[in-house]
Amino acid sequence: DTEVTQTPKHLVMGMTNKKSLKCEQHMGHRAMYWYKQKAKKPPELMFVYSYEKLSINESVPSRFSPECPNSSLLNLHLHALQPEDSALYLCASSQDWVFELAGVPLEQYFGPGTRLTVT
Amino acid sequence: RKEVEQDPGPFNVPEGATVAFNCTYSNSASQSFFWYRQDCRKEPKLLMSVYSSGNEDGRFTAQLNRASQYISLLIRDSKLSDSATYLCVASGGYQKVTFGTGTKLQVIP
Repeated sequence: DTEVTQTPKHLVMGMTNKKSLKCEQHMGHRAMYWYKQKAKKPPELMFVYSYEKLSINESVPSRFSPECPNSSLLNLHLHALQPEDSALYLCASSQDWVFELAGVPLEQYFGPGTRLTVT
Repeated sequence: RKEVEQDPGPFNVPEGATVAFNCTYSNSASQSFFWYRQDCRKEPKLLMSVYSSGNEDGRFTAQLNRASQYISLLIRDSKLSDSATYLCVASGGYQKVTFGTGTKLQVIP
């Protein structure tokens, strides 16, 4: 089963709201990712968690706050977002993050995404 | 220069045609390479990993040329359902995963 689930599918929020995006995988993967994708652009990496620890933060503004409560769950907390933050937010997971540890290509499996609109 | 570059297309090909996409990467330390397809307003789905020796999966063949730092994807006998955007990915080591800009394929009846 190569399924990654994300909730909600759609989210509309005001600039003063606080909301959270949720992601779950049950493949035993040790790496999880958040990406942001704008229309007609490729996914842009935001955060990488490896073994429940934040390994990469791609200089993402602090209004985005990731959290990894356990190895299966990944959250993205949103606060005081701007309209330009409207995008598709994708979660992904892979067996591991570092090639040298895994020894195999680190295929990522994506969830369906949350389409976020900030008004 | 972008880290991973692709011809954005669109490639408009008739059903049954063979089409090839190339992707170049700038980071010589990249170790893993993949092709994903993404349908409009959907998530990327893994099409295939790309191995050094080249690999084939049905109508799809992927090649890796480390010396020239490019990856290719060949689709034979194109189907209408192959219409999508094809994204190449380079990653590995302790570096981030980088997606190419994508190549749009439209298969025409």
